[in-house]
Amino acid sequence: DAKTTQPTSMDCAEGRAANLPCNHSTISGNEYVYWYRQIHSQGPQYIIHGLKNNETNEMASLIITEDRKSSTLILPHATLRDTAVYYCIVRTLWGQGSSNTGKLIFGQGTTLQVKP
Amino acid sequence: EAQVTQNPRYLITVTGKKLTVTCSQNMNHEYMSWYRQDPGLGLRQIYYSMNVEVTDKGDVPEGYKVSRKEKRNFPLILESPSPNQTSLYFCASSHFGTSSHEQYFGPGTRLTVT
Repeated sequence: DAKTTQPTSMDCAEGRAANLPCNHSTISGNEYVYWYRQIHSQGPQYIIHGLKNNETNEMASLIITEDRKSSTLILPHATLRDTAVYYCIVRTLWGQGSSNTGKLIFGQGTTLQVKP
Repeated sequence: EAQVTQNPRYLITVTGKKLTVTCSQNMNHEYMSWYRQDPGLGLRQIYYSMNVEVTDKGDVPEGYKVSRKEKRNFPLILESPSPNQTSLYFCASSHFGTSSHEQYFGPGTRLTVT
């Protein structure tokens, strides 16, 4: 699986958009970009995933650059409850490479602090 | 409500006393997995299961056992716990074979072995 690089920490004002970047310059054509978050000591929570098109769901938007070497997770109106560690994970489909084990490789992630 | 449940949520035990942490999911997921999370080491996979009666080792299986007799349950067994198994444990589940790696995680079990 491709390696990802994220900033260690970010701050965001409550009510503003939080833009979390992720670099995955070695991503291959069959790898998806996933985002999870972990609110202090709770189980990680799936947010969104995409292959090459931008994606939006009720939680967030995912913007993937045309060359797929980086992406940005956007929380449109951050609240205090969005304070968490956000993980960008690059994965192939089931049955390919390390996806045989279903293992998710969580790096260090970005600690997002939403401030009042 | 779709969810993964774990019990107990907190456990303090002594070295060598066998214990079981239960995990159950109500989403009819084929795939289930156990992770442990330690400061500075992130989440590491212990065991996983692709379906009933199919289990395999993850990255850190030593000292743990699992079983998958039913689709919904995937208990983690520590036959003889040791202090180095003090950790935060998460169970996760997912459909297998789809295009999504959306995994659902339980709330965690904080285990302390003295």
